[in-house]
Amino acid sequence: AQSVAQPEDQVNVAEGNPLTVKCTYSVSGNPYLFWYVQYPNRGLQFLLKYITGDNLVKGSYGFEAEFNKSQTSFHLKKPSALVSDSALYFCAVRKEGYQKVTFGIGTKLQVIP
Amino acid sequence: DAGVIQSPRHEVTEMGQEVTLRCKPISGHDYLFWYRQTMMRGLELLIYFNNNVPIDDSGMPEDRFSAKMPNASFSTLKIQPSEPRDSAVYFCASRKGSYYGYTFGSGTRLTVV
Repeated sequence: AQSVAQPEDQVNVAEGNPLTVKCTYSVSGNPYLFWYVQYPNRGLQFLLKYITGDNLVKGSYGFEAEFNKSQTSFHLKKPSALVSDSALYFCAVRKEGYQKVTFGIGTKLQVIP
Repeated sequence: DAGVIQSPRHEVTEMGQEVTLRCKPISGHDYLFWYRQTMMRGLELLIYFNNNVPIDDSGMPEDRFSAKMPNASFSTLKIQPSEPRDSAVYFCASRKGSYYGYTFGSGTRLTVV
């Protein structure tokens, strides 16, 4: 079985401040972890992934995420938030060798000018 | 590349009618996934194909739902007969190989009245 938890329904951050969107996962075996962003009335867009290697992965639009195996976490971060980052963010996981991806319920990020 | 193309963008139909949703994946992508998104249940995987072959349809809610992929550039999701509880946004996503993220289409918003 595999699952993802996004503990915050919404995160508010002031423009220019660092942001963190939290994600924890549960999977038997090696995890493949992903972050996606969804703007209103659009499909999800891929931001970044962790498959193996460095625990800090960098992705699109200045986002990065840190894989922490001991805490089973994969938090999304950005050093300086933009108003245009306001959107719905999804964390996702699948087990190595398994094709089905499980998505979290999403976290709404609101960047306040 | 135009990305994953879904049609129609919006569909309003009466209960009992047949609905067909269409998807054109990105050329060269060998995996295709159909997801349904609702506020209550989030993103649910309905079915996925690998090289045009259905691999796992365990997420298809019931026999009223069917999906086909007659060739590498086209897939359909059919609901017959439709019911109000089928109202949701249906996304198609494609992927190349096992190590990449998905590319999602813009979705079809289905309303069954």
